[in-house]
Amino acid sequence: GEDVEQSLFLSVREGDSSVINCTYTDSSSTYLYWYKQEPGAGLQLLTYIFSNMDMKQDQRLTVLLNKKDKHLSLRIADTQTGDSAIYFCAETAYNAGNMLTFGGGTRLMVKP
Amino acid sequence: DAEITQSPRHKITETGRQVTLACHQTWNHNNMFWYRQDLGHGLRLIHYSYGVQDTNKGEVSDGYSVSRSNTEDLPLTLESAASSQTSVYFCASSVGQGGEQFFGPGTRLTVL
Repeated sequence: GEDVEQSLFLSVREGDSSVINCTYTDSSSTYLYWYKQEPGAGLQLLTYIFSNMDMKQDQRLTVLLNKKDKHLSLRIADTQTGDSAIYFCAETAYNAGNMLTFGGGTRLMVKP
Repeated sequence: DAEITQSPRHKITETGRQVTLACHQTWNHNNMFWYRQDLGHGLRLIHYSYGVQDTNKGEVSDGYSVSRSNTEDLPLTLESAASSQTSVYFCASSVGQGGEQFFGPGTRLTVL
């Protein structure tokens, strides 16, 4: 089946930028998502990008998509302690009926 | 406000018992999904439904069943609980293709 891979852990200092990376194998991926999960809570959609885009910026968040390498990244500028959470990359294809394939999640720890 | 709820939030049961986890959404979404979250695996799809009377198996459906008798609810049943089904279970709903999936708060199930 299709696969989505993420590194397990990232630690940064408050105020620095964080970059969380994700690779996927499905060449028919149409939508790519970043979800955030805070402790004891469900997942919340942070941002998403269509496969015909290279970049999307939303306030402190920048998503970069390299379709050739099937690589997706999430950059968080001026990282705050409140950004500490698990971040999940997910993808779906147009004909996949809105079924998402998730990566294993990257735990971001922000040190003061 | 529209929302998606899960109950119970925590459940401890014994091996072999039947367990039903409830999921209820008030957005009138057609699509509903059940995932389980385990360390090292991210979220894996158990079952999903695109509408009333429609149910489909996901990646890890063995030992689980769902039914969709109305738009709002998709209960997940473990017919005979096993220790391998100890996990955190998330329900989600969405509308249409590529639509954001909204997640419930999760149910932590422990099978002893």
